[in-house]
Amino acid sequence: EADIYQTPRYLVIGTGKKITLECSQTMGHDKMYWYQQDPGMELHLIHYSYGVNSTEKGDLSSESTVSRIRTEHFPLTLESARPSHTSQYLCASSDESGTLYQETQYFGPGTRLLVL
Amino acid sequence: GENVEQHPSTLSVQEGDSAVIKCTYSDSASNYFPWYKQELGKGPQLIIDIRSNVGEKKDQRIAVTLNKTAKHFSLHITETQPEDSAVYFCAATLSGSARQLTFGSGTQLTVLP
Repeated sequence: EADIYQTPRYLVIGTGKKITLECSQTMGHDKMYWYQQDPGMELHLIHYSYGVNSTEKGDLSSESTVSRIRTEHFPLTLESARPSHTSQYLCASSDESGTLYQETQYFGPGTRLLVL
Repeated sequence: GENVEQHPSTLSVQEGDSAVIKCTYSDSASNYFPWYKQELGKGPQLIIDIRSNVGEKKDQRIAVTLNKTAKHFSLHITETQPEDSAVYFCAATLSGSARQLTFGSGTQLTVLP
């Protein structure tokens, strides 16, 4: 069982509110990721980080922002939530330091967001 | 960049039958191909992976095959059970590079009792 946590698990919020989705991992992994998952299942990478103070945008354009001040913590923020942000958000981490074959991504349980 | 196509998008099988999910990839340099299983209300979990230096790998009732020439790989589940019902994702990447995993679009597998 991977030690990666997401809170809240479910969030219903009104349009225009600022929200932060939390993601923490206790495995000491350098790489962390945020995915947005459609109701149609497909995973879209929206942000990733190679380590502290490193953040990059993913393949899918997103109005969210991320920060990586500590290795174990990778929060995602929406400054002004809109109904189009309604989705499931999955956080993951991986460790590619040392051994070559360590690309396994460990996923958290996800946050299901509904913006009214 | 890499492009991964996954088929079928939905698959229903009778309990005890086999299930096969197929993926194709575009970048011949890719050499690492994991499969993830996502149960309802949970995040995806790795179930098996294969690297380009082998053609087949088995773990109990699941197996993965890789055809590098044709650039496709498949997940095989034998003697399916109701608890195998989930969404399955294939993925591909170049091991040791800065490239991210590219996921397929997912297959909803339903095992009928």
